[in-house]
Amino acid sequence: GENVEQHPSTLSVQEGDSAVIKCTYSDSASNYFPWYKQELGKRPQLIIDIRSNVGEKKDQRIAVTLNKTAKHFSLHITETQPEDSAVYFCAAYVVFRNAGNMLTFGGGTRLMVKP
Amino acid sequence: DSGVTQTPKHLITATGQRVTLRCSPRSGDLSVYWYQQSLDQGLQFLIQYYNGEERAKGNILERFSAQQFPDLHSELNLSSLELGDSALYFCASSVHRGADLEAFFGQGTRLTVV
Repeated sequence: GENVEQHPSTLSVQEGDSAVIKCTYSDSASNYFPWYKQELGKRPQLIIDIRSNVGEKKDQRIAVTLNKTAKHFSLHITETQPEDSAVYFCAAYVVFRNAGNMLTFGGGTRLMVKP
Repeated sequence: DSGVTQTPKHLITATGQRVTLRCSPRSGDLSVYWYQQSLDQGLQFLIQYYNGEERAKGNILERFSAQQFPDLHSELNLSSLELGDSALYFCASSVHRGADLEAFFGQGTRLTVV
């Protein structure tokens, strides 16, 4: 099955700096890569996603890049703010035949933005 | 509000007991996923159902089982509970049709085994 590795597990940055979180996946059939943000005690919420036919996608201060050949994708947050502090999860989505699918998550990155 | 409803929000039970967690997906979503999140841990995939049928299985213990009913709600049954089963259990749903793949999470059920 799919295996998703995420690094680093914790990341501390100064407010205004950039943060980068990297993920690798194992199954070349994976075709959809969402990123979720989970604040303390709350549910994960989608912040950005990218599909395998796209190399980069931006949404204001966040961007995601995908390298299909190397099987890795990254989340970039610029001009970080204290409210960006949360746990971020990457995921890889494999679609099987007969409409089955599996969304496999990385281990998470705890981002702390210091004011 | 994601539209995914999980009940109960909190559950405290003793070791050896059996509990049932319930998930109502967003209207129209055919796919339901269950995840386990232990303290300060990642999201461990347990099982996925699509339109009533089991489609994918992760690291789900034999003591755990799940099903999806004709009205598409799903239940996760945990039996012979152990202290280590204490965790936050999330359900997520997606319509999984065409290009629409986003999964929406419920608020989770926090299970405490004492």
